[in-house]
Amino acid sequence: EVHLVESGGGLAKPGGSLRLSCTVSGLTFTKTWVSWVRQAPGKGLEWVGRIISKNDGGTTDYAAPVKGRFIISRDDSQNTVYLHMSSLETEDTAVYFCACDYGDFLDDWGQGTLVTVSS
Amino acid sequence: SYELTQPLSVSVALGQTAKITCGGDKIGARSVHWYQQKPGQAPVVVIYRDNYRPSGIPERFSGSNSGNTATLTINSAQAEDEADYYCQVWASSTAVFGGGSKLTVL
Repeated sequence: EVHLVESGGGLAKPGGSLRLSCTVSGLTFTKTWVSWVRQAPGKGLEWVGRIISKNDGGTTDYAAPVKGRFIISRDDSQNTVYLHMSSLETEDTAVYFCACDYGDFLDDWGQGTLVTVSS
Repeated sequence: SYELTQPLSVSVALGQTAKITCGGDKIGARSVHWYQQKPGQAPVVVIYRDNYRPSGIPERFSGSNSGNTATLTINSAQAEDEADYYCQVWASSTAVFGGGSKLTVL
């Protein structure tokens, strides 16, 4: 069974940084693409970015609101994908989900981790 | 940037058919995916690539996509189908979600 677990959420100040982790089990991680999706309180889903497998190039893509501030990386030895968030804004307050990215649709989502950006 | 438009809310009587639409420019040329999200839970894909149903998703869920509108259809809607539903496509190397539709089963 595929299982994704996010961690690292919490309170950060505007302008601050935070790193989220997404640990994956139940499949061959080296072949796995992972997307991050966030959901502000009471709002809809917003795609943040993704990282593809190293076998497929290891490249990343980002949504416009986070480009230049967020970086996605992976450590295949730890079956983990990271979301490095910097220059945080209050608008970044959301539950952050990671999900397996099958090239077009997202399946096997984690339970999410809450990030609150507030002074 | 590409935009997807969904109705904010859809209501359906128990056992009747619900249709949730997702509008976008020439969306019929794209692959559309649908997610169900219940309160406090992560989303679950219920239809992928326009009309494919993942294992474990009831047969009453189906999808179609043509022209400028994609549609999620729930036949014989059940109480447990009450949830938020989101459509999603890829455009210019970014995933785009619709604003979401709240399905109420009366």
